[in-house]
Amino acid sequence: LAKTTQPISMDSYEGQEVNITCSHNNIATNDYITWYQQFPSQGPRFIIQGYKTKVTNEVASLFIPADRKSSTLSLPRVSLSDTAVYYCLVGGPNTGGFKTIFGAGTRLFVKA
Amino acid sequence: NAGVTQTPKFQVLKTGQSMTLQCAQDMNHNSMYWYRQDPGMGLRLIYYSASEGTTDKGEVPNGYNVSRLNKREFSLRLESAAPSQTSVYFCASSEGFGTGGNQPQHFGDGTRLSIL
Repeated sequence: LAKTTQPISMDSYEGQEVNITCSHNNIATNDYITWYQQFPSQGPRFIIQGYKTKVTNEVASLFIPADRKSSTLSLPRVSLSDTAVYYCLVGGPNTGGFKTIFGAGTRLFVKA
Repeated sequence: NAGVTQTPKFQVLKTGQSMTLQCAQDMNHNSMYWYRQDPGMGLRLIYYSASEGTTDKGEVPNGYNVSRLNKREFSLRLESAAPSQTSVYFCASSEGFGTGGNQPQHFGDGTRLSIL
């Protein structure tokens, strides 16, 4: 199971773009990269998932280099409401949903 | 569409009491999970159910039991509560049959449990 490493915390200001990088050196060929967001007093919420290159949705973009040993979650023009914990997970079709591991995540604090 | 619903939202127990946390999902998902989250920590898997009728231990199963009542419902029971089980408990579900670490999980809003 691929282990992930991400910064413990980050600060930003409203209106800035925030990039959170996750390292996963042992990612397997069939593994996908998935990001979740967790607000205080709520359960984690799926944000975005990708396998390679770039994925974009209405919330964020996910950049994955060719070697797939890292990935970057990009949040455009953050607002105060983007203050949350962001988790990076790696897993594939044969990993088993029960083996996905939520580490401590990255605490993003957006300031006015 | 309610998604994943957990009851109760808050509970205070005394040491030694028993309690069942309820979880139901309305997305016709096959897999369901129970996690606990301690302050400032990530989520740790307690038990999971890869499909209706099956359950298996996760990372921290001691002191807990589960029941997959049907496809919709997955309950977590504390037989004799201990202060170390004070935590926030999250239930989640995913579409696949337990396989698929890439299957997005959908979470409830948690049960905050305090054991005195």
